[in-house]
Amino acid sequence: DAMVIQNPRYQVTQFGKPVTLSCSQTLNHNVMYWYQQKSSQAPKLLFHYYDKDFNNEADTPDNFQSRRPNTSFCFLDIRSPGLGDAAMYLCATRKRESTDTQYFGPGTRLTVL
Amino acid sequence: GDSVTQMEGPVTLSEEAFLTINCTYTATGYPSLFWYVQYPGEGLQLLLKATKADDKGSNKGFEATYRKETTSFHLEKGSVQVSDSAVYFCALSGSTGGFKTIFGAGTRLFVKA
Repeated sequence: DAMVIQNPRYQVTQFGKPVTLSCSQTLNHNVMYWYQQKSSQAPKLLFHYYDKDFNNEADTPDNFQSRRPNTSFCFLDIRSPGLGDAAMYLCATRKRESTDTQYFGPGTRLTVL
Repeated sequence: GDSVTQMEGPVTLSEEAFLTINCTYTATGYPSLFWYVQYPGEGLQLLLKATKADDKGSNKGFEATYRKETTSFHLEKGSVQVSDSAVYFCALSGSTGGFKTIFGAGTRLFVKA
């Protein structure tokens, strides 16, 4: 089945130790998103790509970076995780049009010790 | 800017009760409207959507009608089941172009047997 896959599902890191979360999709969608979600609150958009074009939200901390080497893969790098970065990180894709559905991965739960 | 307001939870119902979760929106253009559902430990998944005024989205017994005159997209189900326990997010996208989705704060639903 076509889907959005996130690895790992659970990630534990230490305060200040860089961590990378990965997302892959088999849907061949143009748009990929990274969201941060805390305690079942609304997902907070960190950034998105339309193909290779990168769009960073104004309030996304510099500590968060992203890479999209090809259509299928997208990575979220947290350079120096703080305790406040513990959260669920959701990757999502969308084909192109605003009427299109977003497809979400299962998320990666990040714990910072 | 665009925004989505949905009723605060948690909502607790007995099995077979009628469900309404209110959602209203503010948008400058003509957005598409969505309800997403999030089960514990999972990512969001589309429940239903409507892309223009007076459209009704429906899925798994849930319904919502896009009401432009009242800027609303209320979610309803005639008879809830324990398995419907989840967090429900109302969302809009595409009112002024671009690729962002605006989410409501989410409403947690508990259904008791």
